[in-house]
Order: sequence, then C-alpha cells, then structure tokens
Amino acid sequence: ILNVEQSPQSLHVQEGDSTNFTCSFPSSNFYALHWYRWETAKSPEALFVMTLNGDEKKKGRISATLNTKEGYSYLYIKGSQPEDSATYLCAFSPWGSYIPTFGRGTSLIVHP
Amino acid sequence: NAGVTQTPKFRVLKTGQSMTLLCAQDMNHEYMYWYRQDPGMGLRLIHYSVGEGTTAKGEVPDGYNVSRLKKQNFLLGLESAAPSQTSVYFCASRGTGGSNTEAFFGQGTRLTVV
Repeated sequence: ILNVEQSPQSLHVQEGDSTNFTCSFPSSNFYALHWYRWETAKSPEALFVMTLNGDEKKKGRISATLNTKEGYSYLYIKGSQPEDSATYLCAFSPWGSYIPTFGRGTSLIVHP
Repeated sequence: NAGVTQTPKFRVLKTGQSMTLLCAQDMNHEYMYWYRQDPGMGLRLIHYSVGEGTTAKGEVPDGYNVSRLKKQNFLLGLESAAPSQTSVYFCASRGTGGSNTEAFFGQGTRLTVV
C-alpha cells in the first residue's frame, strides 16, 4: 500500500482568502498525479492531471504545482469563494500500475 | 452521455442478506474500480478490473466479490452482509490512455447494514 498523505485534513477560510494544501507521495517510480474536487453529495471530478516534474496547471482561480523529485504537489486557490467548499483529493499513480492511490483529502470550507 | 451510473443509490440490508451493486459506464473504458468511503479513511479500493472478464483484489476485498462479464458493467456483490460493510460505495472507470488519464466516478451507493 502506497503512502499518499494530504494536509491539512480540514481548512476553514473566509471568502476572499487565498489558501493552499499539500499532497505528499512516494518520490520513486512516479508516473502521474491527479487532483480531484469532491463536493458533498456528489462524486469526485477531475481537476488536473500532472505528469512532469515542475508541471504547473491552472483552471480559473485554482492552480497546482508538482515536484516529483521530493514527492509533493501543492494546490492553490486564489480568492476563495463559498462555492469552492469541497474535499480536494489527490491520487498518485506509479509507473506500470493500473491503480491510483488516493489520499484522504483536504476538506475546505469557505465562509461568506 | 450518462458517464458512470451506479444502482441502487441507497439500500438498507439486514445482517446476512446478500445484494449486488451495479456499475455501468458508457465510455468504453477498460479499467473499472470499486471503492468504499468511510469517515476519516478516504477512498479504499475493494476490487478492480483491467478489462472484460478480468478482476483483481484491491486493498480491502474481504466479504466482497465482483464480476465483469461485459465491458460496460462491473458488479460488486455482498454474499452475507455485515454491519462493518456499512459504507458509501463508489465505482469509477478509466480509459487506456495510461495512468495519466482521469477517473470518472459514479454518484455513489449508500449502504447500511443493520
């Protein structure tokens, strides 16, 4: 079982705050890292797939970076809005595996 | 496209009863997965399939069986339900573009075993 850690476990911010959280994964045998957004009572939806060391991806106010050599990825949300409230999951895929390993997620609550 | 559809959405079982959860995908994906989600535990892999007619055990397979007789369907069976199997179950599918392809999830099945 691969160790994929996400921190913090939960986060409360005020509307307009910028925030970031971390996904840590094994630095060896890296193939891909996915970020998913999971709203309450819905199913997870993919935000980003990251495959190269130094990758930076952006979608609106959300961006992510990747460091495969040290085994971490950051997710940033600029100017958080209440609709950003969700659990953010990362999933690590090693080379040659069909199975992504999910972290336990970071629960973000944005207060108006 | 419907994407990934799970049935049923909710179910209450008595201890010892059996049931089958159905996952259907219309994206012609090769890979399909069954996860359970429990508070504080994240998504844990129960079983997975890399193609029609194939299945394999995941992290927490005990008490479950699966079948993939048709490419589009992945069935999860509980032969004799136990209260420890109370959980939310998610099915996911993924294409063969490699591990960098995203997974698509169903809406989940909330199962309570009393």
